[in-house]
Amino acid sequence: DVKVTQSSRYLVKRTGEKVFLECVQDMDHENMFWYRQDPGLGLRLIYFSYDVKMKEKGDIPEGYSVSREKKERFSLILESASTNQTSMYLCASSESGQGVDYGYTFGSGTRLTVV
Amino acid sequence: DAKTTQPPSMDCAEGRAANLPCNHSTISGNEYVYWYRQIHSQGPQYIIHGLKNNETNEMASLIITEDRKSSTLILPHATLRDTAVYYCIVGETSGSRLTFGEGTQLTVNP
Repeated sequence: DVKVTQSSRYLVKRTGEKVFLECVQDMDHENMFWYRQDPGLGLRLIYFSYDVKMKEKGDIPEGYSVSREKKERFSLILESASTNQTSMYLCASSESGQGVDYGYTFGSGTRLTVV
Repeated sequence: DAKTTQPPSMDCAEGRAANLPCNHSTISGNEYVYWYRQIHSQGPQYIIHGLKNNETNEMASLIITEDRKSSTLILPHATLRDTAVYYCIVGETSGSRLTFGEGTQLTVNP
């Protein structure tokens, strides 16, 4: 069964801490995405990556960075966590096209609370 | 990406067809219509997508109007497990970034 695995389901961190959210996919997908989901705001794209070592800013990149050193792993980094980054974080991956399109595959999410 | 408009909520009786509408009047010629759903506390799940023609798979059917300005997702025999938020999205392919709106909360009642 194909999977996108997020390292933690629930996470509590303190303000100012550096936080790493890890995402691993086993489908050999080229594309990976990080979203955050908040009530009333839907899913908002933070960063995405179309290949190893490349990254693109999404709609709300401020306060975040990403790393993609290997094809299967896409990490989201909160350089200095703040309370307004308390949210559900969702990772997704997808194929690049070439006539094949099975949509995004999402992980189960990480609910991060910053106190 | 073109914007979509969906009703915030809908109800459906168990065993009946659920028809979820979506307007996407600014869709461009190379954009697909995608549908996802999100069951509470889980990540969204891909359901189906289409460009011009109607599409059907084991989960649902997608009806796209001839002018492509609107579409309907049909769950032919809704079950309680179909209760979820359904998102209609337009985008070039799943290889590109997709913008999720608020979706429609579908509640299937016994």
